[in-house]
Amino acid sequence: DAGITQSPRHKVTETGTPVTLRCHQTENHRYMYWYRQDPGHGLRLIHYSYGVKDTDKGEVSDGYSVSRSKTEDFLLTLESATSSQTSVYFCAISESAGDEQFFGPGTRLTVL
Amino acid sequence: SQQGEEDPQALSIQEGENATMNCSYKTSINNLQWYRQNSGRGLVHLILIRSNEREKHSGRLRVTLDTSKKSSSLLITASRAADTASYFCATDAFPGGYQKVTFGTGTKLQVIP
Repeated sequence: DAGITQSPRHKVTETGTPVTLRCHQTENHRYMYWYRQDPGHGLRLIHYSYGVKDTDKGEVSDGYSVSRSKTEDFLLTLESATSSQTSVYFCAISESAGDEQFFGPGTRLTVL
Repeated sequence: SQQGEEDPQALSIQEGENATMNCSYKTSINNLQWYRQNSGRGLVHLILIRSNEREKHSGRLRVTLDTSKKSSSLLITASRAADTASYFCATDAFPGGYQKVTFGTGTKLQVIP
């Protein structure tokens, strides 16, 4: 398995609280992605990074911010969590744009 | 809306039968990928086919791509119970940037022993 971990794996929080999810890789891949997966929607891209401090928005970026200060870490922050952000969040990495992506195990987030 | 749409949404077959899933997309692509997801797990890459390729094989998997029809199919031959999973196609759409790979909603395959 590709060296990619996510933390926490499960989190329950309340509406209005800030939440940060962490993705860590040991593969030195340039690209990192955050997706959310919801029934009936498949995976939707939230943000992605193409290098340290280089990030861009995906399809569903509203309410989310990201940071990448090191090659190995990509953080996803929900500044003020809402119930609509209850979802399973996946991090993925790839060497180049459009290449095979390797996925982390996912984080199940519940916002009450 | 989704760039890739899989069909059927769900498929149930007996072990040993072949399973065929289809993916249709809307805009020109550079490549198309298929992924598998077991329940509660992350996605696993199966195969990548480039726009200048028509067919690709990997073990019991066969993928075809028809760029004129903007469609792809994934064939799993001699299915096993362990193939039970959801299968997703993913396309990189231009315009939009090739780094923005878009996933379909998936086909849920059940293989009955």
